Amino acid sequence: AQSVAQPEDQVNVAEGNPLTVKCTYSVSGNPYLFWYVQYPNRGLQFLLKYITGDNLVKGSYGFEAEFNKSQTSFHLKKPSALVSDSALYFCAVRGPGGSARQLTFGSGTQLTVLP
Amino acid sequence: EAGVVQSPRYKIIEKKQPVAFWCNPISGHNTLYWYLQNLGQGPELLIRYENEEAVDDSQLPKDRFSAERLKGVDSTLKIQPAELGDSAVYLCASSKGLAGSYSTDTQYFGPGTRLTVL
Repeated sequence: AQSVAQPEDQVNVAEGNPLTVKCTYSVSGNPYLFWYVQYPNRGLQFLLKYITGDNLVKGSYGFEAEFNKSQTSFHLKKPSALVSDSALYFCAVRGPGGSARQLTFGSGTQLTVLP
Repeated sequence: EAGVVQSPRYKIIEKKQPVAFWCNPISGHNTLYWYLQNLGQGPELLIRYENEEAVDDSQLPKDRFSAERLKGVDSTLKIQPAELGDSAVYLCASSKGLAGSYSTDTQYFGPGTRLTVL
């Protein structure tokens, strides 16, 4: 069965500092990895995804994520955090086929950017 | 381009009452999903439609939950009767559903319906 782990429930960072939100995954075959952000009382907004190719993926709002196959990780990063980045972030994984076709989400990481 | 539309945004009902949620996906998106999101957790898939066909409903509690997607566009999710444990956010999402690209498809989510069962 495929799974996603977001080891940190809460991440605090000062505005202007770099931020990292961690994600590790488990899936049979090549993974397809996604990051979403959720603001209060809103649905999930797509940030970026890794399908194949360059391990560094760039997405919306200045976010990027690095795929590391050996460490089965897909950490979300941003060079300089903004207060408006404060939200709930979800990592998700999908396998290439069969029962792994569902998108499996992690439990989320609450990011707080302090002014 | 309009996003995924859901209504109502909030619903409060008493237990044992029925409730229905409506979703209108992004125009041209063939695949539609219903998810359940409990507080502090990630979304969990309830059912996936490809056009009118429910192709994955393995996690839908069929004794009380039902869904339909007539004409392959709008969809309705129903609970009858509702239980206290059904209090959650119900999210609808859609994706293009192009043949051969399902696994890499990006899902776009609506704002959700927050259900409170008293």
